[in-house]
Amino acid sequence: DGGITQSPKYLFRKEGQNVTLSCEQNLNHDAMYWYRQDPGQGLRLIYYSQIVNDFQKGDIAEGYSVSREKKESFPLTVTSAQKNPTAFYLCASSIGVRATDTQYFGPGTRLTVL
Amino acid sequence: AQKVTQAQTEISVVEKEDVTLDCVYETRDTTYYLFWYKQPPSGELVFLIRRNSFDEQNEISGRYSWNFQKSTSSFNFTITASQVVDSAVYFCALSEEGVIQGAQKLVFGQGTRLTINP
Repeated sequence: DGGITQSPKYLFRKEGQNVTLSCEQNLNHDAMYWYRQDPGQGLRLIYYSQIVNDFQKGDIAEGYSVSREKKESFPLTVTSAQKNPTAFYLCASSIGVRATDTQYFGPGTRLTVL
Repeated sequence: AQKVTQAQTEISVVEKEDVTLDCVYETRDTTYYLFWYKQPPSGELVFLIRRNSFDEQNEISGRYSWNFQKSTSSFNFTITASQVVDSAVYFCALSEEGVIQGAQKLVFGQGTRLTINP
């Protein structure tokens, strides 16, 4: 089955620790995205990547980092510089980056800082 | 600037009632795309529909229908004969061409939490 997988489903972090969220897709999509969702709010874009070895900051990139070494994978690292990291993180991919290209989402990772 | 407003934060209806979720958008572009996504309790966003700015025909898919009106900048979503499985958060979103270095930017509304009671 084609789709997007994210792991882990739940993640707990102590303050001051970096954590990495995994996102893998087998849809052969060029573009991948990371969003953050806070309770009662819409999604906000953290980073996106149009193609392998390229990525761009979104609206709320501070305290986050990404890499895109493989087409299928777009991991997100939440660093200790992110002051309020507790949130639900969603990864998405699309065939391209045109406005008409539908983004498809993974199941999400819920991160809680203890 | 792009903006999507879903004024209804929460809606609760009894099963089999019809329900309409409102979506109002703002854009300066003439070419844009509107989307609806469903987020069930599991958390994953499920794509429901994409509509381009040049196609104002209403769309129907089973119990779901969408009404796009450029004159009022609205893209409303109606569920007919609602069922408990329709309970979810629904997001409306807007994308424009070439906003970020040629790449799309998908802007989401705040979402409407729909609860269907048996």
